[in-house]
Amino acid sequence: DGGITQSPKYLFRKEGQNVTLSCEQNLNHDAMYWYRQDPGQGLRLIYYSQIVNDFQKGDIAEGYSVSREKKESFPLTVTSAQKNPTAFYLCASRNTGQFNSNQPQHFGDGTRLSIL
Amino acid sequence: AQSVTQPDIHITVSEGASLELRCNYSYGATPYLFWYVQSPGQGLQLLLKYFSGDTLVQGIKGFEAEFKRSQSSFNLRKPSVHWSDAAEYFCAVGGDTGRRALTFGSGTRLQVQP
Repeated sequence: DGGITQSPKYLFRKEGQNVTLSCEQNLNHDAMYWYRQDPGQGLRLIYYSQIVNDFQKGDIAEGYSVSREKKESFPLTVTSAQKNPTAFYLCASRNTGQFNSNQPQHFGDGTRLSIL
Repeated sequence: AQSVTQPDIHITVSEGASLELRCNYSYGATPYLFWYVQSPGQGLQLLLKYFSGDTLVQGIKGFEAEFKRSQSSFNLRKPSVHWSDAAEYFCAVGGDTGRRALTFGSGTRLQVQP
């Protein structure tokens, strides 16, 4: 079955440590997204990528970094500069292109990050 | 800038009762509108979407939504709620040609009483 796989499901970070969240999709989607979810605030966009080797900052990119070396993969690194990293992180992807401009986003099951 | 407002943070309905979740959006052009549902600790599942055409759209699990341009609304409805519908519901608007990311409302948590 095609889908989006996020790992790990739970992650703990120590002070001063960088951690990387994995997101892999086998849907052959061009565009991928990272959102952060906090209680009562909905989802906020961290980074997005429309094609391989290209990505753009979203609304809350400070303290985060990404890479897009392969179409299937869009890992998110939460750096030590992110002072309040405790949240639920969701990865999404969507089909793009000439005939797919209105396609919805598909989501993974998320990674919950907590500070030790 | 686009925005979404879900005025009800928490709604409780009895099983078998009808449901309406409110969503108001702000967007300069014709919006792309979505409703997603999220169970605790899970990702988001698409319920339905509106791009153009018929303003009443049908989705999965017996849900429907009506786009009303004059009211900038896209309310979600279900005629008879089941206990398994208890979850959090998010309305989202898209259409930003630059990034095609979605702007989400803050969500409405639905509780279903037996």
